[in-house]
Amino acid sequence: DADVTQTPRNRITKTGKRIMLECSQTKGHDRMYWYRQDPGLGLRLIYYSFDVKDINKGEISDGYSVSRQAQAKFSLSLESAIPNQTALYFCATSVSGGRTNEQFFGPGTRLTVL
Amino acid sequence: GDSVTQMEGPVTLSEEAFLTINCTYTATGYPSLFWYVQYPGEGLQLLLKATKADDKGSNKGFEATYRKETTSFHLEKGSVQVSDSAVYFCALYSGNTPLVFGKGTRLSVIA
Repeated sequence: DADVTQTPRNRITKTGKRIMLECSQTKGHDRMYWYRQDPGLGLRLIYYSFDVKDINKGEISDGYSVSRQAQAKFSLSLESAIPNQTALYFCATSVSGGRTNEQFFGPGTRLTVL
Repeated sequence: GDSVTQMEGPVTLSEEAFLTINCTYTATGYPSLFWYVQYPGEGLQLLLKATKADDKGSNKGFEATYRKETTSFHLEKGSVQVSDSAVYFCALYSGNTPLVFGKGTRLSVIA
């Protein structure tokens, strides 16, 4: 079984709809992240959470919100989707402490907003 | 702030060619450095890492050496295969913050 899972894997929606992307992990990590990937722009950080009570904005948080329901779950919401939020979204996890903060990624959710 | 700059792609090579993907960084302190790889249709996965100057990370025939004097962490492979076709991301970690990623370099290897 995958350590970091994302649901749904693909989603097509219409402008103005509310969308939630979910991420779950069985790695026991305390840190979780949401990124979006667009062609030619690499990965951009949307939000991150270093523990259940900690939520931080990333580079491109406008138009998004998150919820850390438990250590293992971190959801990303688009309150009113717009076409330029069409992208590939990745969740990642890591464990605090240590030298490297190595991140482990989920398989991604491809979101299309029409 | 911290940043990573990597060569723009796409890079197209013939099988068995030598690969270099350049990566330079700007960071305060002494960061750890990484290369991640993203195969088609998948998420990113760690390819190799180095935590201090002069360390060499290696995996699957790929190597990168942490060069503090040139603030670089270039990725190399002596003989690429078609299966190495992917997007490669350089990244750094320099404190209690998320990883900082470069924009990625797409590699296509043709038989």
